[in-house]
Amino acid sequence: EIVLTQSPGTLSLSPGERVTLSCRASQSVRSSYLAWYQQKPGQAPRLLIYGTSSRATGVPDRFSGSGSGTDFTLTISRLEPEDFAVYYCQQSETFGQGTKVEIK
Amino acid sequence: EVQLVESGGGLVQPGGSLRLSCAASGFTLSSYSMSWVRQAPGKGLEWVSNISSSSDTIYYADSVKGRFTISRDNAKNSLFLQMNSLRDEDTAVYYCARVWQQLSFDPWGQGTLVTVSS
Repeated sequence: EIVLTQSPGTLSLSPGERVTLSCRASQSVRSSYLAWYQQKPGQAPRLLIYGTSSRATGVPDRFSGSGSGTDFTLTISRLEPEDFAVYYCQQSETFGQGTKVEIK
Repeated sequence: EVQLVESGGGLVQPGGSLRLSCAASGFTLSSYSMSWVRQAPGKGLEWVSNISSSSDTIYYADSVKGRFTISRDNAKNSLFLQMNSLRDEDTAVYYCARVWQQLSFDPWGQGTLVTVSS
């Protein structure tokens, strides 16, 4: 069973900063099956990225995904106030434990 | 608008049963696999179960295998999760989600809270 490890656990940042979130798999995964989600308090998760780098409908282009093999990254080029949330990576039936992006 | 709406959550005693429903609208349910994903209070996301479009392939997480049963009624645009022998650790918000591009989940319902407690 694949384990996805996200780092860091929490990031304290200011609006306008660039963010890089990491998702590392315990074994090589098919890049086409790596997705990222955003979840705000009291809300359901929202799909941001699928297939490692394809943005879901309506997702701003400040969000981008990359990676291959065991190392994947979600990048937010410039943090907006609405981007402070928890982010999860997912591969098939496995989710990472999440990274919280909080306001500094 | 593509939408999923869960119902059926509530408070149940350990060992009890509950049946969750998920009503789909805005898309043809019969064309997609569907999943249930849960989130314990203050915790991360845990995949629970998946059912193929025609119900011929079903998977469960080890944590619920033998206790939960996923099903669907495409004619009624509905997905279900029958939960038996409930345990304290099954307490969570349960989300239904459409299996989308490359095994991602989109959209998700708003979730329904299941609390297992005596």
